[in-house]
Formats: sequence, C-alpha cells, structure tokens
Amino acid sequence: QSALTQVASVSGSPGQSITISCTRSSSDFANFNLISWYQHHPGMAPKLIIYEDNKRPSGISNRFSGSKSGSSASLTISGLQPEDEADYYCCSYAGSNTWVFGGGTKLTVL
Amino acid sequence: QLQLQESGPGLVKPSETLSLTCTVSGGSVNSGSHYWDWIRQPPGKGLEWIGGIYYTGTTYYNPSLKSRVTISIDTSNSQFSLELRSVTAAHTAVFYCARRTTGGWFDYWGQGLLVSVSS
Repeated sequence: QSALTQVASVSGSPGQSITISCTRSSSDFANFNLISWYQHHPGMAPKLIIYEDNKRPSGISNRFSGSKSGSSASLTISGLQPEDEADYYCCSYAGSNTWVFGGGTKLTVL
Repeated sequence: QLQLQESGPGLVKPSETLSLTCTVSGGSVNSGSHYWDWIRQPPGKGLEWIGGIYYTGTTYYNPSLKSRVTISIDTSNSQFSLELRSVTAAHTAVFYCARRTTGGWFDYWGQGLLVSVSS
C-alpha cells in the first residue's frame, strides 16, 4: 500500500472538469513536497504533466492544473477530452533522496 | 530530443538475477542536473520507484528493495543499469528507466520493458 492515497477511479463527460486527489496516508512519511503528476496511457511511457506542485511543462495543455494544501495535493483537468482517458499518478519526495508514487487513479471519459 | 530505451531479457527464472540496461541517446548521462532512475509497474498495479543514480555513481534506493537492487552507470556509453537479485514471480513487471531532475520530477521516460519471472 502506497504512502500516497489516490482514489482508484474517477469519471466525467467531455467538457466537464474533474479533480484527482493525492493524500499523504502514512504518519511515517514525513515529507510531502515536490509533488509531480503523470499521465499514463497503457502501453506507453508515463508523461509528466505537473511538477513542483502546480507547474506545467512546456507543451502541456493549460486544461491541466495542480495544487497542494497541507497533506493533500490535487490535479484538476478541465474541459475533459476523450484523449484524457488514462491513469494518473502523483509522486512525492519521501526523504533521503527517495521518491514515492501514489496508487494511481483511472480516469474514464464517458 | 533525449530518448531512453530499456533493454534486457523478457523472461527470467525464479531465484536468478534480473539485469536491464537503459541507453540514453540525444543527451548525456554526465549531467550534474539529473539523476537516472528505474521505476516498475507490476501487472494491474501502480508505479513504484526502484532507485536512481547520479553521474558520480552515487545511488539511492527504495528501502523496500534496497537489499536486492544494484544500479550502476556507464558514462562512457551513456547507459545505466539495474540488477534485481533473487527474483520471484512477484517481481514480474514493466520496468521503466527515466530521467529525474534535481528538482524531483521525471521528465523523460523509456517506453518500458515487460520482464516476466517464470520457470
């Protein structure tokens, strides 16, 4: 079980907005910072979509946004499009130059 | 454009050592601004960080795997490698190599390589 908890699945219709949360679930996991988010289409390489909590890499649509407050981070996708259907993972620094991923959230575009 | 490509056997026998190599092209592993990491995804499960290496050879490992993992780097050939010892069927996974910035995000990934552990 990951030290970062994500809801297993979310869904939305085209044009709608959805939010995926990532919560620190372990008291042993003192760090929760430098949050990044990845989009993963099965069979392909994961793709960085948010880094440093809320920054977008060049070429990533502004429909993707990130935020963090306390022990929880969120990824919001606005104006859902069919190609957004994928798995989404958060990632956090875990201390001592180690990293941990969340369990992943499957997004279904209805 | 930086590219990473995993290579190695797709099938490993239980109790043996899984050995993979990541070849970096379009750039150099001799970068003071990046780390070179391995990440795995067991079938039907999420991503798990295995560990990483700096161009100096300094390594960092997931504590849960540290006892059976070694990551090494060959700067002359722009490659870095993963060894996972004494594997079991539970180690079957897609293995990804990735570049991690010093800021902590994974900005380039390989396509992934499925390695099955089976007799």
